[in-house]
Amino acid sequence: DIVMTQSPLSLPVTPGEPASISCRSSQSLLDSNGYNCLSWHLQKPGQSPQLLIYLGSNRASGVPDRFSGSGSGTDFTLKISRVEAEDVGVYYCMQGLQTPVTFGQGTRLEIK
Amino acid sequence: EVQLVESGGDLVQPGGSLRLSCAASGFSSSTHWMNWVRQAPGKGLEWVAGLNQDGSEKYYVDSVKGRFTISRDNTKNSLYLQMNSLRVEDTAVYYCARAYLGAVDVWGQGTMVTVSS
Repeated sequence: DIVMTQSPLSLPVTPGEPASISCRSSQSLLDSNGYNCLSWHLQKPGQSPQLLIYLGSNRASGVPDRFSGSGSGTDFTLKISRVEAEDVGVYYCMQGLQTPVTFGQGTRLEIK
Repeated sequence: EVQLVESGGDLVQPGGSLRLSCAASGFSSSTHWMNWVRQAPGKGLEWVAGLNQDGSEKYYVDSVKGRFTISRDNTKNSLYLQMNSLRVEDTAVYYCARAYLGAVDVWGQGTMVTVSS
């Protein structure tokens, strides 16, 4: 199974400041077409998860451009250029290259 | 509007059975891989099972193999999860999730399954 490791697990951020979350996989997530099967999801308090980024760096529809994804192979990063109060929640990376699909442990972002 | 609505969650005793349903609307579920993902209370996300567009390929996490069965009825635009021999550790919110380009792009609101005596 592919193990997904996120850091940090807790992230206090001042509004307007940037934030960054790292996700590392135990195997490369590059598929046969050269795409990284890595996505980022945000679960706001009391809600279902929602897709933010797919294929490593593509923003999902309706996602603000302050969110960006980067990386390739086994190392990936989610960046928020300027954190807003509505960004509070738990962020998960997910690999969809092979079954079982696996998630990172989650990173809890809170506002200072 | 693209939507997934789960139902069927309940309180059940250890060893019991339950069938979850997921109704898709706003799109044809026959064009997508579909998954079940669960979240135990206060814990992270865990993928449970997935199947391809026509239901001919099914995959499960090891902890539910032989106990859970994923299926779909494309004529009803619905996804199912038959859960047998339930254990306390199966207690979780179960989400129906649409697959897209190696990700999940649509999540349901979830249905709660509690296994307890």
